[in-house]
Amino acid sequence: SQTIHQWPATLVQPVGSPLSLECTVEGTSNPNLYWYRQAAGRGLQLLFYSVGIGQISSEVPQNLSASRPQDRQFILSSKKLLLSDSGFYLCAWSIDFTGHSYNEQFFGPGTRLTVL
Amino acid sequence: QKEVEQDPGPLSVPEGAIVSLNCTYSNSAFQYFMWYRQYSRKGPELLMYTYSSGNKEDGRFTAQVDKSSKYISLFIRDSQPSDSATYLCATARGDNYGQNFVFGPGTRLSVLP
Repeated sequence: SQTIHQWPATLVQPVGSPLSLECTVEGTSNPNLYWYRQAAGRGLQLLFYSVGIGQISSEVPQNLSASRPQDRQFILSSKKLLLSDSGFYLCAWSIDFTGHSYNEQFFGPGTRLTVL
Repeated sequence: QKEVEQDPGPLSVPEGAIVSLNCTYSNSAFQYFMWYRQYSRKGPELLMYTYSSGNKEDGRFTAQVDKSSKYISLFIRDSQPSDSATYLCATARGDNYGQNFVFGPGTRLSVLP
């Protein structure tokens, strides 16, 4: 069966510090991978998605970046955190289907980031 | 206008009540409609998904889609305290991968024993 891991679970960082959040998926190959941010009282905001190694698409311009160095590894980074980067960061994966089909997204446990 | 709108609640009901959760969406291109349940400090988990208009039932949960009015609903029968969570509706066009999921902000539900 497939599992998705995220770490760390909780993170408190000062403004201006760097960030690295990691997500790994087990039990599947060539998944589509996603990074979302969930702010309090707001819906899930898609930040990045990836359909393959080294292929990253950005949905929202910001000071965050993403990388996919391996098939089942997705990393969210920042060189300098802002207060507004605080939130709950969720990684998700879906099966690589093309065409008209439904792609269920499976979410990881999330990382709660507080920027002080 | 937001693509998917949802009353954030909170909604409190007594145990055993029938719960009705609702969303509206604006893009008529959406074909898939999902309901996710999210417990506090956890990732969302898929409850149900439906394609096009109609009803879909799974145990105590019924999902309903009315594409003519762009309205989606989730009904929970015989609600239990374990149903206390935030419920997110989501829509998707269904073309190319899954990057086109659009989520509502979620409704926080509390079922009181």
